[in-house]
Amino acid sequence: GAVVSQHPSWVICKSGTSVKIECRSLDFQATTMFWYRQFPKQSLMLMATSNEGSKATYEQGVEKDKFLINHASLTLSTLTVTSAHPEDSSFYICSALLAAVWETQYFGPGTRLLVL
Amino acid sequence: QKEVEQDPGPLSVPEGAIVSLNCTYSNSAFQYFMWYRQYSRKGPELLMYTYSSGNKEDGRFTAQVDKSSKYISLFIRDSQPSDSATYLCAMSFTGGGNKLTFGTGTQLKVEL
Repeated sequence: GAVVSQHPSWVICKSGTSVKIECRSLDFQATTMFWYRQFPKQSLMLMATSNEGSKATYEQGVEKDKFLINHASLTLSTLTVTSAHPEDSSFYICSALLAAVWETQYFGPGTRLLVL
Repeated sequence: QKEVEQDPGPLSVPEGAIVSLNCTYSNSAFQYFMWYRQYSRKGPELLMYTYSSGNKEDGRFTAQVDKSSKYISLFIRDSQPSDSATYLCAMSFTGGGNKLTFGTGTQLKVEL
């Protein structure tokens, strides 16, 4: 149980284009999902908290107009990187909150984004 | 000072060894403690979660929490090459927006 998927697993795009990443909780409903980014050999950096049916809450320093988050259902949250630039290249990971188990987050496998 | 400190390693041990991974923290509000394992280019996988001080065992893994010392540990018995990964400690507290505060991760290599 508590499986989270992400799609795509990797994506290469040209600078200036937008990229959408999907995060799904497969066997449970998640009112709250989180989006992280991770640079090589570094820990996870929380970007935003996504709550179903409401606007996402962004961490300080994260541009909400650049990283659009939509949590339209209890099993799906999407992150859209708008007008991507090479510095946006990173490993993006989502997690879903399984509230019944001590506020435990279960992570997706991650999406590797390379912007050329 | 970071809220959660974790030795980044790398830590290299022979197969079969007992591994001890540790984190210290400064925020006494933390109530929930988790250990995640992350293989290269993969998302973190939840290994253990604990709420109170004391020990919790699951197979070859034992999580230990000492709230008075603000210190948590993960022990791996009979380590295997497949345990080679980065281990991240994470913590949260009620009222913290369910956010996790992560350690930087310890890279472990178990050698044959």
